[in-house]
Amino acid sequence: AQKITQTQPGMFVQEKEAVTLDCTYDTSDPSYGLFWYKQPSSGEMIFLIYQGSYDQQNATEGRYSLNFQKARKSANLVISASQLGDSAMYFCAMRPEGGATNKLIFGTGTLLAVQP
Amino acid sequence: DAGVIQSPRHEVTEMGQEVTLRCKPISGHDYLFWYRQTMMRGLELLIYFNNNVPIDDSGMPEDRFSAKMPNASFSTLKIQPSEPRDSAVYFCASSTPGYEQYFGPGTRLTVT
Repeated sequence: AQKITQTQPGMFVQEKEAVTLDCTYDTSDPSYGLFWYKQPSSGEMIFLIYQGSYDQQNATEGRYSLNFQKARKSANLVISASQLGDSAMYFCAMRPEGGATNKLIFGTGTLLAVQP
Repeated sequence: DAGVIQSPRHEVTEMGQEVTLRCKPISGHDYLFWYRQTMMRGLELLIYFNNNVPIDDSGMPEDRFSAKMPNASFSTLKIQPSEPRDSAVYFCASSTPGYEQYFGPGTRLTVT
């Protein structure tokens, strides 16, 4: 079964420190994509970063990087130099089937609180 | 581009009433998705369209829910009759093939 697992319901981090949000996935598809979205308290879903299953290098977008370990089926999000505005719910998602359908399977999310 | 547009942003209705949620995807996006988010069930995919054609409606909870996409720039999600358990935030998202989905601001539905 295709599934995304986020085992951390909530996380705390001090401002300016780095934090890692865990995500593991389960799929038998040889080609798939992995995404992270941020949902602040205002409710909108904001795309952060994408990693393709055949990408050789880990994706990075500014302070966001994706620690992709294919053999372990993990796609952890690393946020460097945390800011107060990073406090939000973070969702990991997978696009299976080589993107043939473009649909996403979401995890249950991790609530991150950045403390001053 | 204005992004994905959803209306209304908030809807409060009484049980048994018909509710229609509206979505305008980003111009040029071939895919349109409807999601429902609740505390209990998280983010659920209800239905998605490709080039205005419904592809997978397996997430639609029951016959009270229906969705249409009459053209490339408009979609509706209708609940008739509505029930209190339908209270949730409903998101519309759109994308081009192989790329990330862009979400609308959501419609917060409360059924009393």
